[in-house]
Amino acid sequence: DTAVSQTPKYLVTQMGNDKSIKCEQNLGHDTMYWYKQDSKKFLKIMFSYNNKELIINETVPNRFSPKSPDKAHLNLHINSLELGDSAVYFCASSQGGLAGDRSYNEQFFGPGTRLTVL
Amino acid sequence: DQQVKQNSPSLSVQEGRISILNCDYTNSMFDYFLWYKKYPAEGPTFLISISSIKDKNEDGRFTVFLNKSAKHLSLHIVPSQPGDSAVYFCAARGAGSYQLTFGKGTKLSVIP
Repeated sequence: DTAVSQTPKYLVTQMGNDKSIKCEQNLGHDTMYWYKQDSKKFLKIMFSYNNKELIINETVPNRFSPKSPDKAHLNLHINSLELGDSAVYFCASSQGGLAGDRSYNEQFFGPGTRLTVL
Repeated sequence: DQQVKQNSPSLSVQEGRISILNCDYTNSMFDYFLWYKKYPAEGPTFLISISSIKDKNEDGRFTVFLNKSAKHLSLHIVPSQPGDSAVYFCAARGAGSYQLTFGKGTKLSVIP
């Protein structure tokens, strides 16, 4: 009974290709996120959607485009893949809201998608 | 510019002893702090958190201490168990923000 799931788990592709990573959460959360963990192991936020509306859009190349068809899904599409895009991408979700309470702050992470660009 | 720093990339502790993982932050607007645990090939999982209005939060073997004046927090695990071996990430959230800023992680190895 997976809370946050991502597909695929591994993705190997050539430079210049376009690929998508899908994310689904069954927790009833309002907010979803995409993070990138690079070779230096930093987890960096890329995007966040709250109720299908983009609320965080960090400085990432516009080759990356998130799409949220509904509250339970946040997909990541990457155009013209480059070598530097190789990383592990994590999807996460949270209840949303800004209260100083664990239930609002805790983010639940998916298992990650390891993207390798050759 | 790293706003959340975990200066020890790794830590080894004997089983049964205390593990202390440290985290420093620079942004005084952070008002909520979390610790995540991550096993290889899995996503991070929430461990424990603390609001900036508190200085301690305890959950079983895990205790988080916050020293706001020093902009420092620490995670204590006692007693440490081999299953605690993982990478531990410190994260912080700013007031009025949905965004979590993560440290680079500390790899804890608990030796049986």
